[in-house]
Amino acid sequence: DAGVTQSPTHLIKTRGQQVTLRCSPKSGHDTVSWYQQALGQGPQFIFQYYEEEERQRGNFPDRFSGHQYPNYSSELNVNALLLGDSALYLCASSLDVSSGNTIYFGEGSWLTVV
Amino acid sequence: RKEVEQDPGPFNVPEGATVAFNCTYSNSASQSFFWYRQDCRKEPKLLMSVYSSGNEDGRFTAQLNRASQYISLLIRDSKLSDSATYLCVVILYNFNKFYFGSGTKLNVKP
Repeated sequence: DAGVTQSPTHLIKTRGQQVTLRCSPKSGHDTVSWYQQALGQGPQFIFQYYEEEERQRGNFPDRFSGHQYPNYSSELNVNALLLGDSALYLCASSLDVSSGNTIYFGEGSWLTVV
Repeated sequence: RKEVEQDPGPFNVPEGATVAFNCTYSNSASQSFFWYRQDCRKEPKLLMSVYSSGNEDGRFTAQLNRASQYISLLIRDSKLSDSATYLCVVILYNFNKFYFGSGTKLNVKP
């Protein structure tokens, strides 16, 4: 049973560029959340997708957008990259959080903006 | 005020020591609580859930104090392999929100 998988694992982008990160949830999970974790900080919630819709959103600008597909996989898109967007981006999956299930993380995508 | 606060540490302890971390949360409607472990440059992994009655898993004990709005993690007989950052997570199911603390770093030394 595959866990949460993310791609790419590492990437380097230039300021102003756009990036797409991908996530496949753990088998059977229908909810995908994205987090940004800067060095020395805890994960910061970006948004959560359930039934192909954004259900919750943290304090991130509109440059951060996402999508969930019918197979529950998800993408995180960041436009107009800034140096401060350099971080580990974590995808977490769960059964619908409201049912009381915990979350499992992928290994993350390390984004460096230069 | 942050939803979840932790002492960032680091806690530097010798092997075999007992160490405890606390994590405070601000929303009294918080419903579920977890401790995650994160190794350097790795993803967080679930360590244990935290129940109102307290729970124990080997050398690890987690407790919840709803009146004072904090959760704790106690590690007995520390091992070198316990060195990591410990994150607490608080969930509000009604709002599908879960919040992470910034983590407490533990260094266990020989």
